Amino acid sequence: AQRVTQPEKLLSVFKGAPVELKCNYSYSGSPELFWYVQYSRQRLQLLLRHISRESIKGFTADLNKGETSFHLKKPFAQEEDSAMYYCALSGNRNTGFQKLVFGTGTRLLVSP
Amino acid sequence: ETGVTQSPTHLIKTRGQQVTLRCSSQSGHNTVSWYQQALGQGPQFIFQYYREEENGRGNFPPRFSGLQFPNYSSELNVNALELDDSALYLCASSLGGRAEAFFGQGTRLTVV
Repeated sequence: AQRVTQPEKLLSVFKGAPVELKCNYSYSGSPELFWYVQYSRQRLQLLLRHISRESIKGFTADLNKGETSFHLKKPFAQEEDSAMYYCALSGNRNTGFQKLVFGTGTRLLVSP
Repeated sequence: ETGVTQSPTHLIKTRGQQVTLRCSSQSGHNTVSWYQQALGQGPQFIFQYYREEENGRGNFPPRFSGLQFPNYSSELNVNALELDDSALYLCASSLGGRAEAFFGQGTRLTVV
């Protein structure tokens, strides 16, 4: 079964503090992992994907297959990072059918 | 390049009624997926359409059905509405075979 777990509903930090949003997944094959973000009154948008191995808005995420984790990290949080963050998984890369399985989300609140 | 657009943005229906939600995919995208997002939950996959055919389905009953048109726009139909169908319905478009999806702003359906 495909499952994504985000254990924290809310993460509250001060501006400039490091941030780590946790994501663990369950999947028997080789998944693609994503982080999506939803800012207030905006649509859900892709933040980053593990295949790209890039840093977006200072955020990075490393896929750890041994721990089945894909935690999102940023060394210094900014107030504009306050948003809802969803971790998502996609499998079945060879079937031509891709669906996203989402976690329940973590709300990040960055205070001044 | 136009993004994913959904209509209407809000809708109130009575239990037992039928509803149709609409989605225009991002320019150049041939695959449309629909997700249901209940309050406090992550989006849940309903089904996907590729080249006008259902390409995969999540754990939703047959009263949830859809269509995709030659211009790749799509409809989600829900018959015999139940109170638990109240949710945000998200449409996402992608290029066939790619997991990365681009989301619309959603339709908020309330069933009373």
